[in-house]
Amino acid sequence: KAGVTQTPRYLIKTRGQQVTLSCSPISGHRSVSWYQQTPGQGLQFLFEYFSETQRNKGNFPGRFSGRQFSNSRSEMNVSTLELGDSALYLCASSSRLTDPGEQFFGPGTRLTVL
Amino acid sequence: GQQVMQIPQYQHVQEGEDFTTYCNSSTTLSNIQWYKQRPGGHPVFLIQLVKSGEVKKQKRLTFQFGEAKKNSSLHITATQTTDVGTYFCAGPKDSNYQLIWGAGTKLIIKP
Repeated sequence: KAGVTQTPRYLIKTRGQQVTLSCSPISGHRSVSWYQQTPGQGLQFLFEYFSETQRNKGNFPGRFSGRQFSNSRSEMNVSTLELGDSALYLCASSSRLTDPGEQFFGPGTRLTVL
Repeated sequence: GQQVMQIPQYQHVQEGEDFTTYCNSSTTLSNIQWYKQRPGGHPVFLIQLVKSGEVKKQKRLTFQFGEAKKNSSLHITATQTTDVGTYFCAGPKDSNYQLIWGAGTKLIIKP
């Protein structure tokens, strides 16, 4: 099975712009979670989607949003970018239905905001 | 709110020395997972512990889940350069759809 893929891998934006990141989970996985990782920080949970429904949301401002499509692919959007949004954005998929289960991570999208 | 604390933040060891990272949850966990992230890479699942007092081994790695299911540890015997990376623990949030992550312990091998 192909692993989790994320596009693009690298992105450079300027403050005030918006960005959309994409994640394709492992085939058959319906749960997709998004995380933000900054240097020296752990993984900060953004949100989790299952069957096109957001089941959980972390403590991030409303500028961060996401969605999931019927084929389980997911996108996250960050509007009005700030310098502090520079980070590695990871998505992870899981085959579990009712608990997080083993998370399979993609390679991440490294976002730099100038 | 529910928290998972992990210590130490960094550990410098000579190759061949042992390494241990500890994870403590503010609440009882139904299970705990461990991940490894190599430099420049993404987290990779190592193991999940479910039972109180559980001990599991993977070659030189030993994982323990505390009797109260609130703490866990990962011990690496005789570290090798391939062990370099950051080790994270994570447990399910009360809602069960989300993992709460420790901040990670970075294993650094001294030259």
